[in-house]
Amino acid sequence: GQNIDQPTEMTATEGAIVQINCTYQTSGFNGLFWYQQHAGEAPTFLSYNVLDGLEEKGRFSSFLSRSKGYSYLLLKELQMKDSASYLCAVMDSNYQLIWGAGTKLIIKP
Amino acid sequence: DTAVSQTPKYLVTQMGNDKSIKCEQNLGHDTMYWYKQDSKKFLKIMFSYNNKELIINETVPNRFSPKSPDKAHLNLHINSLELGDSAVYFCASSQGTSGGDLETQYFGPGTRLLVL
Repeated sequence: GQNIDQPTEMTATEGAIVQINCTYQTSGFNGLFWYQQHAGEAPTFLSYNVLDGLEEKGRFSSFLSRSKGYSYLLLKELQMKDSASYLCAVMDSNYQLIWGAGTKLIIKP
Repeated sequence: DTAVSQTPKYLVTQMGNDKSIKCEQNLGHDTMYWYKQDSKKFLKIMFSYNNKELIINETVPNRFSPKSPDKAHLNLHINSLELGDSAVYFCASSQGTSGGDLETQYFGPGTRLLVL
């Protein structure tokens, strides 16, 4: 079967750095997405990785290792507004997006 | 200039009723989706349409029927609503269906359905 694993919840301090991990087992791979979802709102696109390595976008970076079936989202200089759920999603060989259950990130002052 | 819009935002109804949720995107995308997000916040794909043609139809009750009058619209009709249908329903769209960042999905604001 197809599976995406992420921690259910993480807590971090304002101004710090946090890494949210995602491991996957899917039938084929056509890219990995990270989305942010604030409570009561829609998911919004953060990043896309299809090649191994690190993609940086301001305070957010996303890393992919296809051989390990592993990705992480790195958030630097955390702000209170970063409190949200972070969803990992993998596109399989049929170009279907398989979603993880999301990681709820709590930022404390 | 909303990219993906849904109506209504909130829907409270009685068991057994029939209701529809509308979705429109003005991004010029070819593919549209319906997702259900339950209380555990897990996003589950229900349907996907590409240029008005159904391409994904996950295991959902046949009480749920999508309709795509044109590629900018994908509506969801639900017959005989049940308590377990209470959830947030998200519409989304993407430019393509063949890989790459064209697959990035853009979501509507969601419709919060409560069945009493």
